[in-house]
Amino acid sequence: QKEVEQDPGPLSVPEGAIVSLNCTYSNSAFQYFMWYRQYSRKGPELLMYTYSSGNKEDGRFTAQVDKSSKYISLFIRDSQPSDSATYLCAMNYGGSQGNLIFGKGTKLSVKP
Amino acid sequence: GAGVSQSPSNKVTEKGKDVELRCDPISGHTALYWYRQRLGQGLEFLIYFQGNSAPDKSGLPSDRFSAERTGESVSTLTIQRTQQEDSAVYLCASSPQQGRGTEAFFGQGTRLTVV
Repeated sequence: QKEVEQDPGPLSVPEGAIVSLNCTYSNSAFQYFMWYRQYSRKGPELLMYTYSSGNKEDGRFTAQVDKSSKYISLFIRDSQPSDSATYLCAMNYGGSQGNLIFGKGTKLSVKP
Repeated sequence: GAGVSQSPSNKVTEKGKDVELRCDPISGHTALYWYRQRLGQGLEFLIYFQGNSAPDKSGLPSDRFSAERTGESVSTLTIQRTQQEDSAVYLCASSPQQGRGTEAFFGQGTRLTVV
């Protein structure tokens, strides 16, 4: 079992839809959780960063972490064609181990 | 600089040649990472530098791969005797954090093609 699992999609939604992206993980020691957005032929861009369980909201984006279920989510409200990209979840242990473990990414397409 | 800078942006090399990839992190960032991304795949961890500590080399796929970092500045990733399976985008990231969760900021990557 991989440490971080993420459905690669592709996921296609109409403009204005609510998008739900998810990752599961196996190691309960993960403490820090991140979502990155990657446009084609670009480097990943940090979107959201959360510590431990709970929710965090930033504009149209909401990140949720459920450590009891080892499950994290990213919700995008009122999705726009400009949101079309690959979304990668990432997590790490914190402490002295700074290595980020990434999911494979979910490719999202928002149709006008 | 405003962000993480990587050079070259593209590199085509012949099988068996050595290549050197460069990363300039964001000024003041203590942590630096190298990742590899094959076409259609996720990010594969290669190596992690944190300040003056010994680097975490656990992700390097073979002894043909090595990396160096001078203090908290530039890093170079060297691939010796390149093979076709080394073709990928090599991404560098830096982070201001030490000993806690990581807000890593990525460069645009170097696209390596081995022919």
